[in-house]
Amino acid sequence: EPEVTQTPSHQVTQMGQEVILRCVPISNHLYFYWYRQILGQKVEFLVSFYNNEISEKSEIFDDQFSVERPDGSNFTLKIRSTKLEDSAMYFCASSPRDRNTEAFFGQGTRLTVV
Amino acid sequence: KNQVEQSPQSLIILEGKNCTLQCNYTVSPFSNLRWYKQDTGRGPVSLTIMTFSENTKSNGRYTATLDADTKQSSLHITASQLSDSASYICVVSGPRGYSTLTFGKGTMLLVSP
Repeated sequence: EPEVTQTPSHQVTQMGQEVILRCVPISNHLYFYWYRQILGQKVEFLVSFYNNEISEKSEIFDDQFSVERPDGSNFTLKIRSTKLEDSAMYFCASSPRDRNTEAFFGQGTRLTVV
Repeated sequence: KNQVEQSPQSLIILEGKNCTLQCNYTVSPFSNLRWYKQDTGRGPVSLTIMTFSENTKSNGRYTATLDADTKQSSLHITASQLSDSASYICVVSGPRGYSTLTFGKGTMLLVSP
């Protein structure tokens, strides 16, 4: 069964460092998303990506965040200068369409900023 | 403000018993409501998706109901199994698809032998 895969499963980084979280969406999907879940809190939308550009982003997704799909398979989330409050579980998801269809989530990357 | 509230916050039941989880939402406009199962340390997995015109949808031992008038949904789990132990998250979608998902905090279910 096709699945969304994310690497690494756990990343520890020092405050101020750059991190890149990687995702391989399901191959025939067209829409890609990043969400985050701070420990004990709700899952929050960060950004959606379609046709090689950002289609929507939340207020959380400020200038320190960026996404790209460098090679047609990987979908990455870069955090330029990490802060302690960026510590969270980051989930990548993909879907064939944007509405009323199932989105498939990856297993997540736990980011710990120290 | 769009909100999704779930109850109870946590629940312990014996294996083989049934249970019902509740979801109230204030999301408007509303496109669809989803229930996800999230195992600890894993991503959410979709159980059901319902549009406003659907009252009930089943997926094996999971049955979701939706009352769009009262903005309430429930997830009923029949004949629970140990593997049902997880967080169950109610998610409501606005009109712009996945960028307008509002997640509940989830109900943590523990099925005890």
